[in-house]
Formats: sequence, C-alpha cells, structure tokens
Amino acid sequence: DTAVSQTPKYLVTQMGNDKSIKCEQNLGHDTMYWYKQDSKKFLKIMFSYNNKELIINETVPNRFSPKSPDKAHLNLHINSLELGDSAVYFCASSPAGIDEQYFGPGTRLTVT
Amino acid sequence: GENVEQHPSTLSVQEGDSAVIKCTYSDSASNYFPWYKQELGKGPQLIIDIRSNVGEKKDQRIAVTLNKTAKHFSLHITETQPEDSAVYFCAASIGNQGGKLIFGQGTELSVKP
Repeated sequence: DTAVSQTPKYLVTQMGNDKSIKCEQNLGHDTMYWYKQDSKKFLKIMFSYNNKELIINETVPNRFSPKSPDKAHLNLHINSLELGDSAVYFCASSPAGIDEQYFGPGTRLTVT
Repeated sequence: GENVEQHPSTLSVQEGDSAVIKCTYSDSASNYFPWYKQELGKGPQLIIDIRSNVGEKKDQRIAVTLNKTAKHFSLHITETQPEDSAVYFCAASIGNQGGKLIFGQGTELSVKP
C-alpha cells in the first residue's frame, strides 16, 4: 500500500548506457515530480508534470527525458549516462493546487 | 535566482534538549514553507508545513515559526529523542511556479541518549 513507489531501488550501470526509472503513485494526485539528490544531499527539482502535462522543466541536460503515460505514473529515461549522473533520484507527488509533496523511497543510480 | 539558506549544517543535542533549525529565503512571493525529515536510505518525509498567512504552527513536539518581513522561518523540536536523529530540510515555494519548491542544504541532527 505504498503511496509513492519507485523501481528500481538501486541501479548500477556503465557510462554511455541508457536507463529508465519508474514511478507510480496511488494517492490520486494530479502532479508528479522528479528530484535529484547529490552526494552532499542537496535536493533539486528536475521536472514536474500536472495531469500528464509538463509544467516545470529545470536546466537539465536533454539526455534526461520524463514521460507520463497517465497521471499516476512518471518515468525518467536517461540516455548516454555520465559519471556525474550518479545520485539518488526521488519521485514525488502532490494534489492539484496544493503544495504538499510526498516523496518516494528513491533510486540510487551509480554510473561506473 | 531564488535560494533558501539553512543553518546549522550539523546539530548535536542531548536527549530531552530542544533543537532549532533556521532558514531564510529570497523570493518575497513564497507562500508555502514545508519541513522534511530524511532518515538514512529513505525518501524525505513531510513533518510540518506553514503558509504565509500564519505566524506559527505546532504539532506535538514540533513547531514552525515564520517571519515574512524578515523572510525567515524556523523549526523547533522539543524534548528530543534518539529517533529524531535524521537530516532535516526546509523548503520554500517559488512564486506561482506550479508547486516548485527550493530546498535548503539540510541539517544533520544527532540526538545523543
């Protein structure tokens, strides 16, 4: 009955590969987000979707492409992975028009 | 650009003491200020939040205060317990940018038994 879930929890891959992280929420929320947490634990928003529409797109390399097949899912695809992409990626969701955001457990990506 | 400054970066207290974490923000249009607790290996968990029309909010041992004029807000934890040990993040909403939050740098709180 997890509210916001992510898969996989750990992802180890080599430079140059393409990988995807999946996120699902069962809270009935309209808005979903992707955050990146670096090695110093700094949390920074990457993308936000509201009801499948992109509404926030921060300065992120275009190797990162979010996709929202429906309002309960927001996936993150990363092309040509680089060492600097190593981080923990968090998905979050919030009800429409309300600011409370609820985070998933995170995906630790390690690029070797 | 918009930013949120958080202090201290680390805080160590004895069990039963109080802990205070302070944040300042730059965007005068910010109107929502949540606090998150992140335990090791887990995602941030919303513990309390405050909106700009309120100066103080309390939930059991946790309280948050907001001074909009000075653009700063604080988290107060009373009667700390070892299970309060975690990294705490403050955040501020950014104007009318659809739920965008800017996070502080985090405070690692250690409560010694």
